[in-house]
Amino acid sequence: AQSVTQPDIHITVSEGASLELRCNYSYGATPYLFWYVQSPGQGLQLLLKYFSGDTLVQGIKGFEAEFKRSQSSFNLRKPSVHWSDAAEYFCAVGAKTGGYQKVTFGTGTKLQVIP
Amino acid sequence: EAQVTQNPRYLITVTGKKLTVTCSQNMNHEYMSWYRQDPGLGLRQIYYSMNVEVTDKGDVPEGYKVSRKEKRNFPLILESPSPNQTSLYFCASSSRDLRNQPQHFGDGTRLSIL
Repeated sequence: AQSVTQPDIHITVSEGASLELRCNYSYGATPYLFWYVQSPGQGLQLLLKYFSGDTLVQGIKGFEAEFKRSQSSFNLRKPSVHWSDAAEYFCAVGAKTGGYQKVTFGTGTKLQVIP
Repeated sequence: EAQVTQNPRYLITVTGKKLTVTCSQNMNHEYMSWYRQDPGLGLRQIYYSMNVEVTDKGDVPEGYKVSRKEKRNFPLILESPSPNQTSLYFCASSSRDLRNQPQHFGDGTRLSIL
């Protein structure tokens, strides 16, 4: 069965600083990988996804993530954080379980942005 | 506009009083799921459905029921709610192949069981 670890529960960065959120997954084959963002009181919005091919994927809102098979990681990055990026971020892995593509979420990283 | 619509958005109720949270999607997706979100635990899958009349348990199904009589609807039923089911619930839908259309989430339903 697949699993996802987000080791940082809470991260604080200054506005304009760079950001990296960590995600490690466990799955035997190449998984489908996702990053979602949840703003307060909102549902989850897909930031980006990786299925195959180029290991550096670009998403919305200026985010990117890099798939590193050797490290089983899919870290999310942004070069310059804006105050509106304050939210909770979830990494997720999708994999075939029987005939179903199951998505398993990490426990989330809450991002605080300070002036 | 592509949407997953959940109702109600908020509900406070008492132990043992049956309730239903509705979920409807307009994207003709085959797959639908229910998750609960609890602090420090992320999202955990309650039930999922691969198509009409095809449902199966997720990771935390105890105390919940679902049905899928129509493709667009996937209600979550709590027959006898208890306080440990106080949580934020999300419905999601996707195409059969996540590469085509990954999960699209509703805005959530916050349930408080007293």
